[in-house]
Formats: sequence, C-alpha cells, structure tokens
Amino acid sequence: DVKVTQSSRYLVKRTGEKVFLECVQDMDHENMFWYRQDPGLGLRLIYFSYDVKMKEKGDIPEGYSVSREKKERFSLILESASTNQTSMYLCASSPLGSNGYTFGSGTRLTVV
Amino acid sequence: RKEVEQDPGPFNVPEGATVAFNCTYSNSASQSFFWYRQDCRKEPKLLMSVYSSGNEDGRFTAQLNRASQYISLLIRDSKLSDSATYLCVVNIFGDYKLSFGAGTTVTVRA
Repeated sequence: DVKVTQSSRYLVKRTGEKVFLECVQDMDHENMFWYRQDPGLGLRLIYFSYDVKMKEKGDIPEGYSVSREKKERFSLILESASTNQTSMYLCASSPLGSNGYTFGSGTRLTVV
Repeated sequence: RKEVEQDPGPFNVPEGATVAFNCTYSNSASQSFFWYRQDCRKEPKLLMSVYSSGNEDGRFTAQLNRASQYISLLIRDSKLSDSATYLCVVNIFGDYKLSFGAGTTVTVRA
C-alpha cells in the first residue's frame, strides 16, 4: 500500500525551539507539499517542492523553511517555534502532471 | 477574498436523506476541480474529481458551473458513514498546487 508517512502524530514543543517535521513518501512522486490546517481556515500551503533541492513558497511561508535533499523526503522546519504555529500539519505528494494528492496522517503540533 | 469558499454547515440529515452543498471559486483560470473527504482527526482523501459535464460515483454526484464559478456535491440515500467534512478543491491551470476550501461538515443521524 502506497504511503506518505509523517514522523510524529503528536508533538509538543516550547516557544523558541527549532522544530523538524519529517515526511517520507514511497511512491516516487516528484511533487511534495506542506500544508497547515486550522479551524475555519482550511488547508493553507506553506511550501512545496517539485524536485530534489527545489522549493517554492506557498501562501504562508513566514516562520518556516523546508529541505528536500532526497526525492522521497520533504522536511518542514520551524526555525523558532511560536504559539501561533500550533496547528495540524499535513504533508502531501503527487506525481508530475497530476493533481492527485496523497496525504500523510498529519502531525498535530502544540507550541507552549 | 478566499480562492475557494464553502458553507461550513453543519448539515444534519437523517439516514436516507439527500444532502447537497456548493462551493464557489474566485479564479476564472481554475481548471481542475475535486471533492475531498476528511473524517474527524484524519487526513483528507480524494472523493471524486469534478468534470465539466458533471459526474456520478455511486450515491455521489458532482456538478461544475463555470459561468457562475461554483461546484456542487449531492449525496443521495445518506449513510451514517457519510458523516465527514467535505473539502472543495481547485487547481489553477499550470499550477502545481491545489487550493482548498475550509470544508462543509455533514452529519448523518440514525
């Protein structure tokens, strides 16, 4: 069964910590995405990548960075976590030329 | 203005009822349209694509109205298992990414 795997289901971090969220897909997909989901706001795109070492800003990149050193792995980094980054983070991937996203099960991050 | 807007609901319906809801999109360059389903505390999953001519998948019917820039989803003979949040999703021509609505919550009661 093909999968997008996010390293943590629940995470609690302190304000100011550097936080790494990992996402791995086993489908050889070119495109990978990081979204955050908040009540009433829906999914908002943080960053995406369409190839190794390539990255593009989404709608809300401030306070985040990403890394894609290998095709299967796309990491989201919170340089200095703040309470307003408490959210559900969803990783997704899709093959080149397709809009068919497969999502990971999400990481619920709480920053205290 | 949000790219994709949905009535958040909730729509509370009895089993066997028909429920329908719309979403509107703001960018006329939007090319591809989808409905995703998201169960409570789970990730979104593709329910169906929406084609210009309208399409059905079992009890689910999706329609697209390009002139008025909205898509709709109709669920016939609702089941308890249809209780979920339905996300309207739009892709703009030439863009890698999808734009998501905030979702419409449907609760089917016995």
